[in-house]
Amino acid sequence: QQQVKQSPQSLIVQKGGISIINCAYENTAFDYFPWYQQFPGKGPALLIAIRPDVSEKKEGRFTISFNKSAKQFSLHIMDSQPGDSATYFCAAMAGNTGKLIFGQGTTLQVKP
Amino acid sequence: NAGVTQTPKFRVLKTGQSMTLLCAQDMNHEYMYWYRQDPGMGLRLIHYSVGEGTTAKGEVPDGYNVSRLKKQNFLLGLESAAPSQTSVYFCASRKRGTSRSEQYFGPGTRLTVT
Repeated sequence: QQQVKQSPQSLIVQKGGISIINCAYENTAFDYFPWYQQFPGKGPALLIAIRPDVSEKKEGRFTISFNKSAKQFSLHIMDSQPGDSATYFCAAMAGNTGKLIFGQGTTLQVKP
Repeated sequence: NAGVTQTPKFRVLKTGQSMTLLCAQDMNHEYMYWYRQDPGMGLRLIHYSVGEGTTAKGEVPDGYNVSRLKKQNFLLGLESAAPSQTSVYFCASRKRGTSRSEQYFGPGTRLTVT
């Protein structure tokens, strides 16, 4: 059972465009929602994260939108750049053990 | 600081062979995790540890064992490798504190079981 569902699987965006990746979750006990960025041959690295008590968080060109009632959250990358080309994973966590449940991942390609 | 390191980077095993993957962190983190990454599946938690001498099962623990004898090291063992264990394995660590602290990942170990 996939507790966190992510879409699309792959995404191609022109330089300067907006990239949008969506995730949906089922477990209402989740209380922390991070996004991780992974470049080829590297481990994932934390990009941005949100708690369910806020509806939006922005860090530079990256924004998380959170809809608690719909149990959905999304990552928006504004002014997408070729250097943003990577695989992006949403994730969710409940409690203090740090056990992350990851989405399936989205491979983003930003064309120059 | 090296952060999280993993040994080896690549390995090819024959079915039935055993091996141990080593994860080391120099950030004095209490929590450590082992994940496997497969295409279209994201990362799935195999085992984790909340402190030296303690381990617990994650989502996909079958066929793996772990040990945390020292705070800085977390070992993942495959006793009898199977082709289904062909994957990229990532170790991560996290500082104890709030539930929202960052997990730091190693560079991964690519394992092929033939």
